[in-house]
Amino acid sequence: DAKTTQPNSMESNEEEPVHLPCNHSTISGTDYIHWYRQLPSQGPEYVIHGLTSNVNNRMASLAIAEDRKSSTLILHRATLRDAAVYYCILRRSGGYQKVTFGIGTKLQVIP
Amino acid sequence: DTGVSQNPRHKITKRGQNVTFRCDPISEHNRLYWYRQTLGQGPEFLTYFQNEAQLEKSRLLSDRFSAERPKGSFSTLEIQRTEQGDSAMYLCASSHPAGNQPQHFGDGTRLSIL
Repeated sequence: DAKTTQPNSMESNEEEPVHLPCNHSTISGTDYIHWYRQLPSQGPEYVIHGLTSNVNNRMASLAIAEDRKSSTLILHRATLRDAAVYYCILRRSGGYQKVTFGIGTKLQVIP
Repeated sequence: DTGVSQNPRHKITKRGQNVTFRCDPISEHNRLYWYRQTLGQGPEFLTYFQNEAQLEKSRLLSDRFSAERPKGSFSTLEIQRTEQGDSAMYLCASSHPAGNQPQHFGDGTRLSIL
């Protein structure tokens, strides 16, 4: 499985934008980039995914580098409810793919 | 919108006992996954079902672990002769069969072995 690397932790002030980086230098052409987040005592929650183009949804934006070797999850205005562990994972297109989670980035939001 | 449901939420048992967890996926999802998560780590894949067929098992799934999905709907994960090292959060996820659809997770069953 192609691997991703993320910083172990990050801090952000409330109501500020947050940029969470992810490196995936061994990504293949058919790998989608998925982001999940996990709040305390809950299961992971899907946030967003993309292949090549930047993506936006109601939760966040995903910016994908032109060479696809890195991506950034953007939370436009961090709230206290965004404090969670954020996982960046790769999933090959088509059929079933086992998902491999790393330890993610623990985001702390400071009021 | 009914999400993935897992029961029980918490289970405390003595070492050596058997435990069984249940997962009810989102109704139209034919793919179902089990993961294990220990403190400070990301979820680790255990096994995958497509409908009732168990198509992949991790090496983490020792002989004491068995998972079933008899009618392609709910699934159970049983651990026999539990050990201290089995203490963890057990997560279930399901996904739609079409394309590269995300997995939807339940809130897990936290197992504590005394």
